[in-house]
Amino acid sequence: GNSVTQMEGPVTLSEEAFLTINCTYTATGYPSLFWYVQYPGEGLQLLLKATKADDKGSNKGFEATYRKETTSFHLEKGSVQVSDSAVYFCALSPYTGTASKLTFGTGTRLQVTL
Amino acid sequence: EPEVTQTPSHQVTQMGQEVILRCVPISNHLYFYWYRQILGQKVEFLVSFYNNEISEKSEIFDDQFSVERPDGSNFTLKIRSTKLEDSAMYFCASNWDGRSQGLFFGSGTQLSVL
Repeated sequence: GNSVTQMEGPVTLSEEAFLTINCTYTATGYPSLFWYVQYPGEGLQLLLKATKADDKGSNKGFEATYRKETTSFHLEKGSVQVSDSAVYFCALSPYTGTASKLTFGTGTRLQVTL
Repeated sequence: EPEVTQTPSHQVTQMGQEVILRCVPISNHLYFYWYRQILGQKVEFLVSFYNNEISEKSEIFDDQFSVERPDGSNFTLKIRSTKLEDSAMYFCASNWDGRSQGLFFGSGTQLSVL
C-alpha cells in the first residue's frame, strides 16, 4: 500500500539556518505530493504541492521537488525564522490531480530559536 | 479568510459512551472528510463524504462510526460506543472539488476516552 516516511523530529535550528526535512514515499502509479504545516493550536494548512515528477512546489520561501527516481519530496528553506516553528507533514494522494484521500507521514516538529 | 471550525476542542468521555464531534466546513465546499491522529502516530484518513453520502472510507471506519450532514452547514462524526483506542485528535477537512487544490483542515478535537 501507500506510505510516507519522514525524518524523526524534533529539528532544532537557529534563525537563518538552512532547513531540510526529508520525506520519501511508496506508492503505485503517479501520486500527488504535499507538505502541510500545523502551527500551535491551529489546523493543518497546505504549504505546497506537486502533482507530477520534477515539479517544484514553493510557498513562503519553502520548496520541495517531486523526485520520482528517488521517490522523495524533501522540504527545504534557505533561511528559517522563529515564526516557522511548527509541525510539518508530508503527504501523498494516490491519484494524479486529486487530494481527497491523503496518506500522511508522522510529522516533523521544527523549533527555531533566536 | 474562511476556515473550517471544529467543536469542542477537547472532549473527555467514558468508555462505552457515545460522542459526536462537530465541524462546520467552509460554506461553498462540497467534499468533507474526517481524519484522526493517535498520539505519536500518523494522521489517518477515516472517511470522505459528498452529495450526502459516504464516497470512501478506511478500514478504521467500522460500524461504530457514522457521519452526517444534518442541516447543510454542520458535518458530524459520531462514535456510538467509544473504546480506549479511539482516543485521538480528530480533524475535519473540506474542499471544493475533491481534487488537487488540497484540503482545508480544522484545528481538531482532542478526544480522550477514559
